Amino acid sequence: TQLLEQSPQFLSIQEGENLTVYCNSSSVFSSLQWYRQEPGEGPVLLVTVVTGGEVKKLKRLTFQFGDARKDSSLHITAAQPGDTGLYLCAGLNNFNKFYFGSGTKLNVKP
Amino acid sequence: DTEVTQTPKHLVMGMTNKKSLKCEQHMGHRAMYWYKQKAKKPPELMFVYSYEKLSINESVPSRFSPECPNSSLLNLHLHALQPEDSALYLCASSSRTGPPYNEQFFGPGTRLTVL
Repeated sequence: TQLLEQSPQFLSIQEGENLTVYCNSSSVFSSLQWYRQEPGEGPVLLVTVVTGGEVKKLKRLTFQFGDARKDSSLHITAAQPGDTGLYLCAGLNNFNKFYFGSGTKLNVKP
Repeated sequence: DTEVTQTPKHLVMGMTNKKSLKCEQHMGHRAMYWYKQKAKKPPELMFVYSYEKLSINESVPSRFSPECPNSSLLNLHLHALQPEDSALYLCASSSRTGPPYNEQFFGPGTRLTVL
């Protein structure tokens, strides 16, 4: 059972376009992390969102945690080739266990 | 220092070999994790150590044997692996301060190939 579903699974866009990645669940999480992973490397933590409705910005990346703490979104403005990678969300439940989403593979073409 | 280190970076082994993967962190974190990741898939949890004790074993075959010698080190001993065990093995650590502020930090991984 996949607790966290990400969409889309794959995304190929041109440099300069905007995009949104979604992370959805029927379960409530204490917090949610977003990671970016490049091929052959470990995931790098981008942000943690904790409060329902919270919005965090990291340069061109905007992260939002749903009001009910069951879903999250990542929006990238004016994507660049350096944004290419596998984006993973991970939810932390009240028992301190992490659950990873299914992943979104993003390719930004120059 | 927010770094988790893993050695070796790459490992090729035969099905009869015995090898070990090593992971180290100096962030004072008291929880450490082993994950297995196949290409284009999310990481799959294998083991969790909390305060140097094994707290979670996700039904991993006994050919994988974890060890936590101290709070900074985590090993994964490998014996009689199968070709389907070839994957990226990731180590992570977290402060284990409890939800909601617990965050995992990952190492760069060991790319394992079993021939």
